[in-house]
Amino acid sequence: GQSLEQPSEVTAVEGAIVQINCTYQTSGFYGLSWYQQHDGGAPTFLSYNALDGLEETGRFSSFLSRSDSYGYLLLQELQMKDSASYFCAVAFSGGYNKLIFGAGTRLAVHP
Amino acid sequence: EPEVTQTPSHQVTQMGQEVILRCVPISNHLYFYWYRQILGQKVEFLVSFYNNEISEKSEIFDDQFSVERPDGSNFTLKIRSTKLEDSAMYFCASRGQGNGYTFGSGTRLTVV
Repeated sequence: GQSLEQPSEVTAVEGAIVQINCTYQTSGFYGLSWYQQHDGGAPTFLSYNALDGLEETGRFSSFLSRSDSYGYLLLQELQMKDSASYFCAVAFSGGYNKLIFGAGTRLAVHP
Repeated sequence: EPEVTQTPSHQVTQMGQEVILRCVPISNHLYFYWYRQILGQKVEFLVSFYNNEISEKSEIFDDQFSVERPDGSNFTLKIRSTKLEDSAMYFCASRGQGNGYTFGSGTRLTVV
């Protein structure tokens, strides 16, 4: 079967750094994506890792270790607007890169 | 910035009725998808569509579901006979050559 595990909730203060971990057990792995979703909104693409290592995009970075079936999303200089749900999603090489999502991590940023 | 457009934003229908959810993907994208999200739960894959045919579908996408790209711009999801458990947010998404999806803002389907 396919499964992704990520924490259900994370709390942090403005200006802090937070890391959201994701472990996965899947077959046909092609890459690991991260999406942000505000309440009532659509998922928004943040990052994609196909190879091991760190990808940086502004305040957000994402890491992948294929040998450990593990990745994380790192959010720096947290702002109130970062309060949202964050989903890791495995992309499959079959199915034209269909995504299988984790259950999501709800991040609450406090002043 | 290009966006995926979905209509309607909210649809209420009676159990057993047919519904059609509509999507206009980004014009130069090649891969199209439907996902759904039951309130408070994760986003679930329904179907992927490429080159005018279904490339993969999930267990959720049974005979009651169908997709069409009738005119080269619209991409529709039809549910023939809705059930209460079909109530969810339905997201259309498209993808170009890159790996990031662009999701539409969704259609909230309520089956009563």
